[in-house]
Amino acid sequence: AQSVTQLGSHVSVSEGALVLLRCNYSSSVPPYLFWYVQYPNQGLQLLLKYTSAATLVKGINGFEAEFKKSETSFHLTKPSAHMSDAAEYFCAVRGSNYKLTFGKGTLLTVNP
Amino acid sequence: IAGITQAPTSQILAAGRRMTLRCTQDMRHNAMYWYRQDLGLGLRLIHYSNTAGTTGKGEVPDGYSVSRANTDDFPLTLASAVPSQTSVYFCASSENPGLSLGYTFGSGTRLTVV
Repeated sequence: AQSVTQLGSHVSVSEGALVLLRCNYSSSVPPYLFWYVQYPNQGLQLLLKYTSAATLVKGINGFEAEFKKSETSFHLTKPSAHMSDAAEYFCAVRGSNYKLTFGKGTLLTVNP
Repeated sequence: IAGITQAPTSQILAAGRRMTLRCTQDMRHNAMYWYRQDLGLGLRLIHYSNTAGTTGKGEVPDGYSVSRANTDDFPLTLASAVPSQTSVYFCASSENPGLSLGYTFGSGTRLTVV
């Protein structure tokens, strides 16, 4: 079985500051990992994905994530936060049953 | 614009009533999914369909049923709604369950059972 733990249900940063959203996974097979973003009253949009190629993955809107097998982590970062980055972010893992299992989400607040 | 259409956008439903949430995709994706989103719990898989004519149970299937008569449509039915089914429901699809292209999500249906 697979699972995802997102550390911190709420992260608050200042505009221009580094964004770091943490995700640790558990999987019985080599994982495929995803980050999704959800803006208020909208569905989820794919930010980026890791599918066993390069361990540093670049996504949309300046976000990137690094797969670290030794730490079972897939943390999401962005060098400089914008007000428009305020949203909820979900980490997900695809397991042996090909289904995505999502974390509980991290709400990112960006302060002016 | 290609994507997933969910209807209704929101609904208030009396307990005990039957309700079908509609989901239609125009991307010819093989796999479709229903998730519910609850505060503090993230998204949990209710039912899925890997291809037309097949369905499977997810993590929280009780009280829900689905059908997949064709590629495009994947309705979710609550036979007799209960207040614990108050949630936001998302339909999603993927081109092929064996690929790792990620899911495309609809905009959701906000359901309140009173």
